[in-house]
Amino acid sequence: TQLLEQSPQFLSIQEGENLTVYCNSSSVFSSLQWYRQEPGEGPVLLVTVVTGGEVKKLKRLTFQFGDARKDSSLHITAAQPGDTGLYLCAGAEKGGSEKLVFGKGTKLTVNP
Amino acid sequence: DTGVSQDPRHKITKRGQNVTFRCDPISEHNRLYWYRQTLGQGPEFLTYFQNEAQLEKSRLLSDRFSAERPKGSFSTLEIQRTEQGDSAMYLCASSQRQTRRTGELFFGEGSRLTVL
Repeated sequence: TQLLEQSPQFLSIQEGENLTVYCNSSSVFSSLQWYRQEPGEGPVLLVTVVTGGEVKKLKRLTFQFGDARKDSSLHITAAQPGDTGLYLCAGAEKGGSEKLVFGKGTKLTVNP
Repeated sequence: DTGVSQDPRHKITKRGQNVTFRCDPISEHNRLYWYRQTLGQGPEFLTYFQNEAQLEKSRLLSDRFSAERPKGSFSTLEIQRTEQGDSAMYLCASSQRQTRRTGELFFGEGSRLTVL
């Protein structure tokens, strides 16, 4: 079973700052997804990346899939308090089970 | 509301009791997943179904855990002889299987279990 490692585990920043969180593995993924979860709720999908080197933008969020499809990053520009939450990456191993395996997440707090 | 619904949202039970959670997926989705999430951790995979067939089970799913999806629609997750270590949020998700990759998971709000 592949392991998805996310870093940092916790991040507390001021409104307006930029940040990047990372998701790394030794396994190759057929696709990788990023979810955001708020307390007491289920995760909600932000983006799916499929192609190595792919970059996707969602307003102030930029997602990148590594060339080798083993890692991904999420960059947030000019963070806002509404960005506060647990950011989870999840992947399905290429050639393996189709279940999604999640990382432990990065808990982001954006202070006003 | 056509999202994934879970019931109950909260369950408090005493150690040794049995509990059952229900999940109603999005109606057109053929895949249904159960995950468990403890505080500060990401969701851990338990099992998933395609239609009524249970295709994979995690080693986390001990013999005290059983999941069913009898008609390929709703699913139940039963935990027998609960232990304090079973305290967690149990998340259900559904998706529409795609030919090339795992589809987006739509999660319910979860069922939080507290075992005293």
